[in-house]
Amino acid sequence: SQTIHQWPATLVQPVGSPLSLECTVEGTSNPNLYWYRQAAGRGLQLLFYSVGIGQISSEVPQNLSASRPQDRQFILSSKKLLLSDSGFYLCAWMAGGGWTQYFGPGTRLLVL
Amino acid sequence: TQLLEQSPQFLSIQEGENLTVYCNSSSVFSSLQWYRQEPGEGPVLLVTVVTGGEVKKLKRLTFQFGDARKDSSLHITAAQPGDTGLYLCAGDARGGSNYKLTFGKGTLLTVNP
Repeated sequence: SQTIHQWPATLVQPVGSPLSLECTVEGTSNPNLYWYRQAAGRGLQLLFYSVGIGQISSEVPQNLSASRPQDRQFILSSKKLLLSDSGFYLCAWMAGGGWTQYFGPGTRLLVL
Repeated sequence: TQLLEQSPQFLSIQEGENLTVYCNSSSVFSSLQWYRQEPGEGPVLLVTVVTGGEVKKLKRLTFQFGDARKDSSLHITAAQPGDTGLYLCAGDARGGSNYKLTFGKGTLLTVNP
């Protein structure tokens, strides 16, 4: 069966510091991968998605970037965090040609 | 751009009551998913509906996909406190991008004991 992991679970970072969130998927090959941000109790904002190694599509201009160095690894980064980067970050995968996304447990980021 | 409107945004009910959550769009979707999310966790898939008019049941939850595949509803019978959470619908529009789902903003349900 497929599983998706995210770490860390919680992160508190000062403004201006760098960020690296990691997501890995097991049990599937060549998945589509997604990063979302979610405000408290509300819907999901798609940040980036990737359909293959090295292929990144950005949905909104922002202070963040994404990379996919391996087939089942997706990384969300920032060089300098802003207060507005605080939120709940979710990684998801979907089988190529599929129509259902499966989510990781999320990372709670607090920028102070 | 496809949009999914969910209603109501917030719902607070007593244990044992019934409720219905709606997910509407002017666009046609090839499939539609419902997720439930508890605080601090990722959304968990409840069901996927793919055929217009389709009805699926998951214990006390009944999901319906509209005949025209533009809308869906989630009905909960005899709600329990364990049903509390954020309910999200998401549609796969195809035709446009094959890689993205359109998500509604969610319905935050609180079931009071």
